[in-house]
Amino acid sequence: EAQVTQNPRYLITVTGKKLTVTCSQNMNHEYMSWYRQDPGLGLRQIYYSMNVEVTDKGDVPEGYKVSRKEKRNFPLILESPSPNQTSLYFCASSLSTVLSTNEKLFFGSGTQLSVL
Amino acid sequence: DQQVKQNSPSLSVQEGRISILNCDYTNSMFDYFLWYKKYPAEGPTFLISISSIKDKNEDGRFTVFLNKSAKHLSLHIVPSQPGDSAVYFCAASDFSGNTPLVFGKGTRLSVIA
Repeated sequence: EAQVTQNPRYLITVTGKKLTVTCSQNMNHEYMSWYRQDPGLGLRQIYYSMNVEVTDKGDVPEGYKVSRKEKRNFPLILESPSPNQTSLYFCASSLSTVLSTNEKLFFGSGTQLSVL
Repeated sequence: DQQVKQNSPSLSVQEGRISILNCDYTNSMFDYFLWYKKYPAEGPTFLISISSIKDKNEDGRFTVFLNKSAKHLSLHIVPSQPGDSAVYFCAASDFSGNTPLVFGKGTRLSVIA
């Protein structure tokens, strides 16, 4: 089954304790992206990657790192989490960045992160 | 500056009636528009899209209308069903792929039985 898999679904941590949220897709997609969803702010892009070893900042990259060492994986790293990073995080992928009527962005189920 | 705006945070509609969700954009380079639907505890899922060469795209109960001169699009759901209750995100991009998909803040639709 074609899917985007994020882990964990729920995570509670404390300020300053490094964490990684994993994301994997099995569709051989070139494009992957991370979003955070906050009440009243919708989906905001954190980082994206157009291909292996190519990453770019989105709208809200501060406090986050990503890596794209292989096509299927795109982990999101919080080196020193802070309470303002408490949010619902979504990973997404698509075949390419050139969207068309046959192309769309597939999302994972989300990771609810709480930083105390 | 918000490039994709959904000015109504929420909307309530009676079952069987029409739901109209609106979206405005500011970037004239956008030429491809999508609607995503999100249920609680799930990721957004693609619903319907439209390219700028069209002004209407229909898929079953869902129709998206695009008014390029007004930089406005709307999603019509007819007839609305309780299962349509979700958050709907409008998104925009350009065919070149140079601009990653930009999302609006979303509109929460509640369809009341």
